[in-house]
Amino acid sequence: AQKVTQAQTEISVVEKEDVTLDCVYETRDTTYYLFWYKQPPSGELVFLIRRNSFDEQNEISGRYSWNFQKSTSSFNFTITASQVVDSAVYFCALSEFIDAGKSTFGDGTTLTVKP
Amino acid sequence: EAGVTQFPSHSVIEKGQTVTLRCDPISGHDNLYWYRRVMGKEIKFLLHFVKESKQDESGMPNNRFLAERTGGTYSTLKVQPAELEDSGVYFCASSQASGTSGRDEQFFGPGTRLTVL
Repeated sequence: AQKVTQAQTEISVVEKEDVTLDCVYETRDTTYYLFWYKQPPSGELVFLIRRNSFDEQNEISGRYSWNFQKSTSSFNFTITASQVVDSAVYFCALSEFIDAGKSTFGDGTTLTVKP
Repeated sequence: EAGVTQFPSHSVIEKGQTVTLRCDPISGHDNLYWYRRVMGKEIKFLLHFVKESKQDESGMPNNRFLAERTGGTYSTLKVQPAELEDSGVYFCASSQASGTSGRDEQFFGPGTRLTVL
């Protein structure tokens, strides 16, 4: 069975601080996908990134960066120089390689960035 | 290009009543998924359509839930009769392709918040 754990339920930071959201996963599959989604106050889920299990290269996109460590089954997400607009619930998810759409989600981490 | 839309955005019903949620995927997307988030917990997979066929309905909680996708376009999720524990946010997502080929990024709708009293 697959499982995703986001141990941080809520995080609060002050604007311009860096913040890292943790994600640890469990799977028996040797190949799989990992995702991060953002859910702003408006409610929709916004896709941020997808990584496949055989590509451990870290990725940077603007102020966002992701650290994938297969050895520790972690896929952590860092926001550099956080902004108020980053306030949202962030979900980490894991899916089977054969069906990238069937995802197992973590409970989510609520990030509040204060001005 | 219009995104995934869901209707209604909110629904408040009494226990025992019936509710039907609708999802319109992005045009041309063969794959349609239903998920739900109950009591602020994780978002759980319910089922997956490929066009009009149910590819995987392993996440459907019980036979009070019925999903359809006639014609392979929009989908409905009916809950009959609704119970208190069905309260939550129901998300729909669509993607162009499934698996390892093609652009299989999922696009999620805004969700329908269901409250059963």
